[in-house]
Amino acid sequence: EDQVTQSPEALRLQEGESSSLNCSYTVSGLRGLFWYRQDPGKGPEFLFTLYSAGEEKEKERLKATLTKKESFLHITAPKPEDSATYLCAVPNYGGATNKLIFGTGTLLAVQP
Amino acid sequence: KAGVTQTPRYLIKTRGQQVTLSCSPISGHRSVSWYQQTPGQGLQFLFEYFSETQRNKGNFPGRFSGRQFSNSRSEMNVSTLELGDSALYLCASSQSPGTVGNTIYFGEGSWLTVV
Repeated sequence: EDQVTQSPEALRLQEGESSSLNCSYTVSGLRGLFWYRQDPGKGPEFLFTLYSAGEEKEKERLKATLTKKESFLHITAPKPEDSATYLCAVPNYGGATNKLIFGTGTLLAVQP
Repeated sequence: KAGVTQTPRYLIKTRGQQVTLSCSPISGHRSVSWYQQTPGQGLQFLFEYFSETQRNKGNFPGRFSGRQFSNSRSEMNVSTLELGDSALYLCASSQSPGTVGNTIYFGEGSWLTVV
């Protein structure tokens, strides 16, 4: 059964304190891994898609990496506005679908 | 370019009633999927439509149904509402499911409270 696990569940950082969020997955044939950011009361906002082990993508203070078993979202010198829940997800049924299996998310709080 | 639009944003219903939620995908996107988000269960897949055909269905009771119109707009319906149906219902759209580079975008959601 396809499964996505995120850790930690919650993370509190001081402004400027870099860290990483983890997403480990068990799927039969990875066809992409998605990272989203979700603010309270809003829908998930797309950040990155990674397709193959070794791939990296960056956006401002965020960098996502992918291995054969997990993905990391590195946050460099975070600011309070980076506070949100970060979700990762993988497509189910070989990927020819928009059925995503989501992790439970990491709630990030960045304090000034 | 407009994003995924969901209406209504907030609604309150009584147990036993039914509700219809609407989703307009990004222009040019033919795939629409629906998710339920609750604090306890996280994001759970409801169903997916492509070119007016349901392609996938999640593990939800038959009270949950949906459809897609020829203009790709989609609706979902929940009949005989229960308290446990209170959730954020999210719609997502994309161009070509399963293709490299396909991005799935979400709307802001419809907050349903059942009392």
